[in-house]
Amino acid sequence: DAGITQSPRYKITETGRQVTLMCHQTWSHSYMFWYRQDLGHGLRLIYYSAAADITDKGEVPDGYVVSRSKTENFPLTLESATRSQTSVYFCASSFPGELFFGEGSRLTVL
Amino acid sequence: GENVEQHPSTLSVQEGDSAVIKCTYSDSASNYFPWYKQELGKRPQLIIDIRSNVGEKKDQRIAVTLNKTAKHFSLHITETQPEDSAVYFCAASPDFGNEKLTFGTGTRLTIIP
Repeated sequence: DAGITQSPRYKITETGRQVTLMCHQTWSHSYMFWYRQDLGHGLRLIYYSAAADITDKGEVPDGYVVSRSKTENFPLTLESATRSQTSVYFCASSFPGELFFGEGSRLTVL
Repeated sequence: GENVEQHPSTLSVQEGDSAVIKCTYSDSASNYFPWYKQELGKRPQLIIDIRSNVGEKKDQRIAVTLNKTAKHFSLHITETQPEDSAVYFCAASPDFGNEKLTFGTGTRLTIIP
């Protein structure tokens, strides 16, 4: 099916481990985003990408790395996970004026 | 950068009554203001938006108003129904098509049957 998909949907890891969250979209949208959702903070932008090989920091980029070698994929890597990175992560792509979100990835760092 | 404040954080209304959620923004350059609805366990989805050249926009039971002078905008839901129960997020960006949205912290709306 066309759309935007994230994997894994649920992940439990330990402090210090590397974790990669995957995001794939089938629309060929230019822009892609990673947000984290935390109670009391709403949706905060981590990183975004305007096109393949073009990425930029959002509001809360520390501790995260992204890449975009292909238009359809936008993985998010936590190089050394910390407990403060326990959150729900949403990937999104955009058609002008509208964000289309994935189903979210719930990450727990123990 | 832009800062968007949203109030209230929680709101309970009787079914059939109206609900109002308010947001303020800090950057006078913001010109595009969408609202997203997130049902429990689901992804956020766009429900309505407004651009700065418009003061009000309606879509069936929902409406948005914008006051650029005061830098605030509001979501109005009339004749509320149980399926309106969700978390609502306001957002702002410099332009329609500028996808880098700054979101408010969300309002959990509960419709009491």
